[in-house]
Amino acid sequence: ETGVTQSPTHLIKTRGQQVTLRCSSQSGHNTVSWYQQALGQGPQFIFQYYREEENGRGNFPPRFSGLQFPNYSSELNVNALELDDSALYLCASILRGTEVQETQYFGPGTRLLVL
Amino acid sequence: AQKITQTQPGMFVQEKEAVTLDCTYDTSDQSYGLFWYKQPSSGEMIFLIYQGSYDEQNATEGRYSLNFQKARKSANLVISASQLGDSAMYFCAMREAQRYGQNFVFGPGTRLSVLP
Repeated sequence: ETGVTQSPTHLIKTRGQQVTLRCSSQSGHNTVSWYQQALGQGPQFIFQYYREEENGRGNFPPRFSGLQFPNYSSELNVNALELDDSALYLCASILRGTEVQETQYFGPGTRLLVL
Repeated sequence: AQKITQTQPGMFVQEKEAVTLDCTYDTSDQSYGLFWYKQPSSGEMIFLIYQGSYDEQNATEGRYSLNFQKARKSANLVISASQLGDSAMYFCAMREAQRYGQNFVFGPGTRLSVLP
């Protein structure tokens, strides 16, 4: 158990819809990252939030957006869903995110299927 | 260029034997960290072991050890006395000090199957 939870566990949407995925980080962890993991691939970094502000972003379009709240929860929002957005979405919490040795602790993920 | 390379898409090992999963990385940073994660079919990424670029000794955590060869830029994971529960995907990941905010870069993974 990592203390990181995600909801929902599974989700089915249709192309063009919008989706919100939720994550609850470990208490005291100020940094949360979101990853997209397509089938058979390694996780790809979407973005990172530190104390409610985005402070890093991977190669994802603006229709991927996020929020982080003071209670260590966060959201990933995806607008105008495309078929290629079908993937496992993982969130990970980290204490600060400023030191190389800090370990990320992952949640169980949300499996999103876009039809 | 790929930051993390894992050249073994799949590996088989007999129960109770040792297995080595390969990982090579590419960075120009002097300060970086290397991590291995296990991902069972359930999907959750489980942290296994960490090696810092300045660590002189190879990291060990129970049955897991990391064969770190800095000059070759390799960080191979060794699992001793394999168990059936070790069957999973294994990912090597790197975090570079210069790329604050860019977080971890993962390799494509190796699927390990432990045979009874």
